[in-house]
Amino acid sequence: QKEVEQNSGPLSVPEGAIASLNCTYSDRGSQSFFWYRQYSGKSPELIMFIYSNGDKEDGRFTAQLNKASQYVSLLIRDSQPSDSATYLCAGGSGGYNKLIFGAGTRLAVHP
Amino acid sequence: DTEVTQTPKHLVMGMTNKKSLKCEQHMGHRAMYWYKQKAKKPPELMFVYSYEKLSINESVPSRFSPECPNSSLLNLHLHALQPEDSALYLCASSLRSGEIGEQYFGPGTRLTVT
Repeated sequence: QKEVEQNSGPLSVPEGAIASLNCTYSDRGSQSFFWYRQYSGKSPELIMFIYSNGDKEDGRFTAQLNKASQYVSLLIRDSQPSDSATYLCAGGSGGYNKLIFGAGTRLAVHP
Repeated sequence: DTEVTQTPKHLVMGMTNKKSLKCEQHMGHRAMYWYKQKAKKPPELMFVYSYEKLSINESVPSRFSPECPNSSLLNLHLHALQPEDSALYLCASSLRSGEIGEQYFGPGTRLTVT
C-alpha cells in the first residue's frame, strides 16, 4: 500500500516565523512531489513541486526532497496570517497519472 | 494561465434526480481527472482520462458516469445518488499523460444529496 504521511497539526506559528511542514512516503518508486494549499471551503492550489533531490525555492516557499530518507518538506518563510490553511503533500510514480495524497497539515499563523 | 473551470458551483439534488457536472480547460492539457473530497479529508481520485480515453476508474459506483466529449471538456453524470455522496467534487488537469506532472484543480462543485 503506497502511503504519504503528514502530521495533521494544527501547526501554530507566530507571524514572521518560519513554518516547517513535513511529509514522508512509503513508495521508493515515487519521483514527483507536490505541495497544495487549501483554504477552508476552497479547492487545492498547487504552490510547489519538486522532482529532484535537494532544495527548490520560490519566493517565501522552499521545498526540500530527500529520496534516501523518503522525506519531503515545505518551508514557509516570514509566515503571514494569510498562510493559514491546510497543506497537502502528494507524491506520484512515473508511468501513470495517480497522485497519492497525505491527510494534510493544518497551519495556523497567529499575529 | 492554469485555469480549470467547473459548473455549477453548488448543486442540491434528490436521490432520484439525474444531474451533470461540467469541467473545462483550455490549456491543451492531455489528462483530466475527477476527485471527490469529503470534509477534513484529502481529495480521493475517482477517474482519469488520458487523451480523451478513460484510463483509471478507482472502482467508483456506476451511479457516477464520466464522459470526455473532447480534449477540453469533462463531464460527470450523476444518477440515483445517496446522501453519503454529498461532497466537494473537484476536476483537475495536467499537461502530460502517462507520467506524473503538475495537476491543477478547478474550484469544485459542492454537491448536496437530499
